[in-house]
Amino acid sequence: QVQLQESGPALVKPSETMSLTCSVSGGSITTYFWSWVRQPPGKGLEWIGYIYYRGSTNYNPSLKSRVTMSVDTSKNQFSLKLTSVTAADTALYYCVRDNISYVHSFDIWGRGTMVTVSS
Amino acid sequence: EIVLTQSPGTLSFSPGERATLSCRASQSVGSNYLAWYQHKPGQPPRLLIYGASSRATGIPDRFSGSGSGTDFTLTISRLEPEDFAVYYCQHYDTSPPTWTFGQGTKVEIK
Repeated sequence: QVQLQESGPALVKPSETMSLTCSVSGGSITTYFWSWVRQPPGKGLEWIGYIYYRGSTNYNPSLKSRVTMSVDTSKNQFSLKLTSVTAADTALYYCVRDNISYVHSFDIWGRGTMVTVSS
Repeated sequence: EIVLTQSPGTLSFSPGERATLSCRASQSVGSNYLAWYQHKPGQPPRLLIYGASSRATGIPDRFSGSGSGTDFTLTISRLEPEDFAVYYCQHYDTSPPTWTFGQGTKVEIK
């Protein structure tokens, strides 16, 4: 059974770059699309971007200028970098699997990792 | 860019009642690309419905989805205590691959 695990710093200073990694276990990262989704405290879900193992990406237009996603097939991991963070980037960050068999719905989610932007 | 509107933001029901949740798109969407998720505090969201009307693996049949064009509905035929949660609709756009969530509807106990 595929499982996802997010990792990265829980606290990031304003204007710095936030980096998160998602480790995929129980299956190959080469089989599906992968995305990041976040949820600010008290707010709804926001899609951040997706990546395919061959390197194709697309990002939410509202974040596009600050987001970079990458994949490491040797480690079965994919990553998120968000630059110039502000308090508005404080959120619970999930990595998710996009399943084409479910018509591109997110069928597997990590537990999420809370990132706080504060000095 | 398609915007999904879920209203109202909160619905109140008693256990055993039927709940109908609405998701409206700002323009017509392919019904294949509409999904619903359930989100409870302290847990990641769970996929309930994909392709507007297909239940994901392990989802009880009291959950059903319907709709096409701009109007979609999630129905919970008989609310169980564990069904009180926030529900999100989501749209996938193919070109380029983009996902959009509605703002969510909270189903609370009356």
